[in-house]
Amino acid sequence: DIQMTQSPSSLSASVGDSVTITCRASQGIGKSLAWFQQKPGKAPKSLIYAASTLQSGVPSKFSGGGSGTEFTLTISSVQSEDFAVYYCQQYVTYPYTFGQGTKLEIK
Amino acid sequence: EVQLVESGGGLIQPGGSLRLSCAVSGLVFRAYPMSWVRQAPGKGLEWVSIISGSGGNTYYADSVKGRFIISRDNSKNTFYLHMNSLRVDDTAVYYCANLGVDWYFDLWGRGTLVTVSS
Repeated sequence: DIQMTQSPSSLSASVGDSVTITCRASQGIGKSLAWFQQKPGKAPKSLIYAASTLQSGVPSKFSGGGSGTEFTLTISSVQSEDFAVYYCQQYVTYPYTFGQGTKLEIK
Repeated sequence: EVQLVESGGGLIQPGGSLRLSCAVSGLVFRAYPMSWVRQAPGKGLEWVSIISGSGGNTYYADSVKGRFIISRDNSKNTFYLHMNSLRVDDTAVYYCANLGVDWYFDLWGRGTLVTVSS
């Protein structure tokens, strides 16, 4: 199975900051990488697929990059509604696997 | 507007069976692969199963293989997760999701809670 490792596991930021989350795959996955946002008690929301393509309706403050084994999710000018848990996930092969999550908290 | 609505969750004893449903509207259902993903209390996301648009291809996580069966009824715009031999560690919120053209997760339902306990 492909292991997905996110760093950091938690992150504190102030409103207006820019933050970056890293996701590493245990083997190359090309660009078959997605990012999700999940708020407490809510379903995940798809943000990005193909490493860098925004899902419909997702604001451009979110951006993704990378290929192969290393990927990033950057949120520019963090606002209160962005505080949540973020997950990466590979879909190049079964079983699909998720990272452990990164909790973005208010400083 | 695309909507996915899960149903069928509840409290079940270990060893029991349960069928989850996901009713889908707002898209050409038969054109899309569909998936189940679960989340145990306080834990991260775990992929469970995928079914192709025709229903001819199915895929499972090792943790549920041989116990769970995914199926779909394209005439009813609904797909299912038949869960057998349930274990305490199957306790989770189960989400349904549709997949995009390259089989990435697109939209998600709100989830249904399955609790396996005696």
